[in-house]
Amino acid sequence: EIVLTQSPGTLPLSPGERATLSCRASQSVSSSYLAWYQQKPGQAPRLLIYGASSRATGIPDRFSGSGSGTDFTLTISRLEPEDFAVYYCQQYGISPRTFGQGTKVEIK
Amino acid sequence: EVHLVESGGGLVQPGRSLRLSCAASGFTFDNYGMHWVRQAPGKGLEWVSGISWNSGSIGYADSVKGRFTISRDNAKNSLYLQVNSLRAEDTAFYYCARGIPAIGIGYFDYWGQGTLVTVSS
Repeated sequence: EIVLTQSPGTLPLSPGERATLSCRASQSVSSSYLAWYQQKPGQAPRLLIYGASSRATGIPDRFSGSGSGTDFTLTISRLEPEDFAVYYCQQYGISPRTFGQGTKVEIK
Repeated sequence: EVHLVESGGGLVQPGRSLRLSCAASGFTFDNYGMHWVRQAPGKGLEWVSGISWNSGSIGYADSVKGRFTISRDNAKNSLYLQVNSLRAEDTAFYYCARGIPAIGIGYFDYWGQGTLVTVSS
């Protein structure tokens, strides 16, 4: 199975700053079949990005995804207070679909 | 608006069984594959099982194969997970999630709020 490694584990930032989250795959993810999710405490995950770079319905344009092959990035251009959360990447190119361990974006 | 509501979780002893349910509304249920994803308290996400729109394609994570059974009733807009031979490591929130595309491996565009299964003696 494909192992996804997210870094950093924790990212302390201030509102208004730029967040750059990394997701590295143990082997190439075919056709950029990579998604990103946001999860806040006590809530279910919410889809942000699919196909490595396509924003899901209703997702603000401050969220963007990029990358291909084994290296993917989620960028939040200017952090809003509601963006402090845990972010997970997920590959769906090869069965079984797998998730990264998460990156927590916390208030500095 | 898409709604997914799980139920059926609870405290159960090791080796016992539970049946989890997910009631779907706000979309044409039989147009979509459906999945169960779990999350141990304070941990990451793990895909558990998925079923295609017509139940013709079913998959399980190795960790639950042979113990869990997924099913759906399109007439009732409902998804189920029969969980047998429960172990302590099955303790988790179990989320129902809608899959894209309808068949095959994909991502999850809507999630329920989850139901907690706690396995303990």
